[in-house]
Amino acid sequence: QQQVKQSPQSLIVQKGGISIINCAYENTAFDYFPWYQQFPGKGPALLIAIRPDVSEKKEGRFTISFNKSAKQFSLHIMDSQPGDSATYFCAASNRGTSGSRLTFGEGTQLTVNP
Amino acid sequence: GAGVSQSPSNKVTEKGKDVELRCDPISGHTALYWYRQSLGQGLEFLIYFQGNSAPDKSGLPSDRFSAERTGGSVSTLTIQRTQQEDSAVYLCASSRGRLGQGILSGANVLTFGAGSRLTVL
Repeated sequence: QQQVKQSPQSLIVQKGGISIINCAYENTAFDYFPWYQQFPGKGPALLIAIRPDVSEKKEGRFTISFNKSAKQFSLHIMDSQPGDSATYFCAASNRGTSGSRLTFGEGTQLTVNP
Repeated sequence: GAGVSQSPSNKVTEKGKDVELRCDPISGHTALYWYRQSLGQGLEFLIYFQGNSAPDKSGLPSDRFSAERTGGSVSTLTIQRTQQEDSAVYLCASSRGRLGQGILSGANVLTFGAGSRLTVL
């Protein structure tokens, strides 16, 4: 019930291409879905987030698509750049429990080749 | 401070020893979290502190793990009688968040430290 499943585990994209990372969840009480980006040796940092009453949110080259009925959400990185190479984590939380405690996916290691 | 500070950044210890990991959250942040990141794995929730409320300890993997938060600020994660499977990066995060605040407000944004890498030989 508390798990968030993320795929793929790793992804290699050419510069300028589109990177797509998918996540699925079971707990219908989740009401906050952020994506975090982590560079080697650093802690994860918030990239973009969405709430379940919105189907899409775009910030620059990053877009979250959300499908409430399928309990799935995805991150799209348009015009991927070598500087986007990092590990990406999807997450979810339920404000009804433990504040903003996040349940994270397993992570996707993205490599963007120049 | 400007960010979440964790120390030590690296710790190598022998099996059976106790270790303490420290976290200095962002000033004014009422919520503090500990997560564990094993090699190639996601982030595993350990414990959550919110103000003066009783901590949510539901993620602690065994009674060898404990954490405290003194004065609503600095937190220490203690691992007793360390085992090799405890080797991981321990991440601390803080947020301004409180239950019920707007979900896309900054209150729900977790700011992570760089982590403490623990290696148990």
